[in-house]
Amino acid sequence: GAVVSQHPSWVICKSGTSVKIECRSLDFQATTMFWYRQFPKQSLMLMATSNEGSKATYEQGVEKDKFLINHASLTLSTLTVTSAHPEDSSFYICSARDGFRGEQFFGPGTRLTVL
Amino acid sequence: QKEVEQNSGPLSVPEGAIASLNCTYSDRGSQSFFWYRQYSGKSPELIMFIYSNGDKEDGRFTAQLNKASQYVSLLIRDSQPSDSATYLCAVRDNNNDMRFGAGTRLTVKP
Repeated sequence: GAVVSQHPSWVICKSGTSVKIECRSLDFQATTMFWYRQFPKQSLMLMATSNEGSKATYEQGVEKDKFLINHASLTLSTLTVTSAHPEDSSFYICSARDGFRGEQFFGPGTRLTVL
Repeated sequence: QKEVEQNSGPLSVPEGAIASLNCTYSDRGSQSFFWYRQYSGKSPELIMFIYSNGDKEDGRFTAQLNKASQYVSLLIRDSQPSDSATYLCAVRDNNNDMRFGAGTRLTVKP
């Protein structure tokens, strides 16, 4: 399958700081990228969908000013958690859709812990 | 609301048995169907996709799709302890939106 990378794989930060997570499709062009959040023992929750060069579409209940998404190129999307708080601690997973094949692949995830 | 439903489990099968995972979806316009495997603490991994009615086999895995019944399943033959994971069903609709079920937790006992 295609490869999607995420960086960092884990991060611990103090409350109030901002954290940026990068998502890259390594061997295909991703026309659309998705950001998910998953709390322990719960299912994936879609946060937002981003298309290259346009503004992200956020799911209901997700604050766009808190979770900033930039899809700058066909291989890179970033999620910035601004002014993080302990309740933002979660497993953040990006996913990229192969524009040619249509399949969707997940990155390895970023575990965020806010102290 | 477009729904993808899965039995949360846990589903427990003995090693060597066939594990059967089921998924139903509400949107008749859905076009593509996917099965992902997620190990604890890891992100989902695509293992199968199916677009047409019938069966699709890949090694020990068989995906079955019945669009009339809005039902898709995943069979795992000769189940191994390493198959123990949560299996997510995903459905893509006509708008190209992918929706995930909550997942079924499978445990294969040695």
